[in-house]
Amino acid sequence: AQSVTQPDIHITVSEGASLELRCNYSYGATPYLFWYVQSPGQGLQLLLKYFSGDTLVQGIKGFEAEFKRSQSSFNLRKPSVHWSDAAEYFCAVGAVSGGGADGLTFGKGTHLIIQP
Amino acid sequence: GAGVSQTPSNKVTEKGKYVELRCDPISGHTALYWYRQSLGQGPEFLIYFQGTGAADDSGLPNDRFFAVRPEGSVSTLKIQRTERGDSAVYLCASSLIGGGGTEAFFGQGTRLTVV
Repeated sequence: AQSVTQPDIHITVSEGASLELRCNYSYGATPYLFWYVQSPGQGLQLLLKYFSGDTLVQGIKGFEAEFKRSQSSFNLRKPSVHWSDAAEYFCAVGAVSGGGADGLTFGKGTHLIIQP
Repeated sequence: GAGVSQTPSNKVTEKGKYVELRCDPISGHTALYWYRQSLGQGPEFLIYFQGTGAADDSGLPNDRFFAVRPEGSVSTLKIQRTERGDSAVYLCASSLIGGGGTEAFFGQGTRLTVV
C-alpha cells in the first residue's frame, strides 16, 4: 500500500521569502502525485499534479513541484510567498492501478505560517 | 451546481444516534469519493463510487458505516450507532472519471460532532 510522509508539521516563512515543503512517498511504481491546499473554511484545492513526463510541474498561484524518483520525493516550492499563502498543505499519492478503484492517500499536512 | 456541495455543513449528534451526510457532486462526474479528516490529520479514504456501484469500500472503518449512490449522482454516507471517535470532517470529492490519476474536486465538508 502507498504512503505519504510530510516531515514538517509547521513551517514559518517571512512574507516574500522562498518556500519549500517536503513530501516523500512510498509506492511500488511511479505514482500519481498531487499537492492540495486547504484554507480555513475552504475545501481542498488542487495546486498541481504529476502524472508523467517533465518532472518539474507548474501549478496555480505560482507554485511548482519537482518529482525525484531516486529520492521518492515531490517537494513543493514557491519563490516568494504572500500572506494569503498561509494555509494547510497536503501531499497525496494516487495509485496507478488498472481498475482505477483507489482513492488518494494523503500525508498529515504541513501548516504554513507567514510572518509579516 | 458549480462545485461539490455537502450538506449539512455542521452536524451535532448524540452518541448512539444515526446520521446521514449528503454529497452532491459536480454534474456529469461519474466518480465520487468519501474521505474522513480527523483533527490534525490528512483526509483518509473511505469509499469510492463509479456510477451507482461502490468500486472500492476498503476504507470504511467498520460495518456501522455505509454509503449509497442510487442514481449515480447524489451520495449519502450513513453512520449507525455513532461513537465519539466518529467526530471528524467528512469530505466528498468527485471527478469526471475514476482512478488514481484523475483530478478530484472536493466539497467543503460536513463537520460531524458526536457528543
